[in-house]
Amino acid sequence: QQPVQSPQAVILREGEDAVINCSSSKALYSVHWYRQKHGEAPVFLMILLKGGEQKGHEKISASFNEKKQQSSLYLTASQLSYSGTYFCGQAGSIYSGAGSYQLTFGKGTKLSVIP
Amino acid sequence: GAGVSQSPSNKVTEKGKDVELRCDPISGHTALYWYRQRLGQGLEFLIYFQGNSAPDKSGLPSDRFSAERTGESVSTLTIQRTQQEDSAVYLCASSLRGGNEAFFGQGTRLTVV
Repeated sequence: QQPVQSPQAVILREGEDAVINCSSSKALYSVHWYRQKHGEAPVFLMILLKGGEQKGHEKISASFNEKKQQSSLYLTASQLSYSGTYFCGQAGSIYSGAGSYQLTFGKGTKLSVIP
Repeated sequence: GAGVSQSPSNKVTEKGKDVELRCDPISGHTALYWYRQRLGQGLEFLIYFQGNSAPDKSGLPSDRFSAERTGESVSTLTIQRTQQEDSAVYLCASSLRGGNEAFFGQGTRLTVV
């Protein structure tokens, strides 16, 4: 029941934009986004809690459609430092009882930004 | 401590031996997660602890895997009779409570030879 991410990989030139999508088959309480650089631990980017919520972090923003159980991460004017693997994580509904905050991740989207 | 601490950072063990991995979460964090990451792969959920509640063990791949956590402090992940397919980086993360921002440790790289 892990979320499904797309695309699996994307290559961008500096300055280009990208969108990474994340969808779930179960009701969501929140969606998390993390970035992992090669050989490092994943680092938190943002959490989205409410239906239709959007958030921004530098030139990286995200939206969360609770009804559709989908989230998208938007990277604009990409920089070399954006390279890494992006993971979306889902935490279940507060109404689903024990384990409802289990944080399960998708398989990741590998983003490569080239000069 | 300042962040999530895991030890050892690297562990090489012989097939069939038992290993114990340790995670020190950020002080005050009630939620703790263990993940397995094979080379070039995603984050595979193993187990989740929330305060004094019964842990969610739904991600443990076999009965060779077990984990404990005393209260809201240190957690240990034990793998018995290790197999070569257990080779991976084992990541621990903690958060203030379930559903909040998770902070990851640097992981333990386990190699089974």
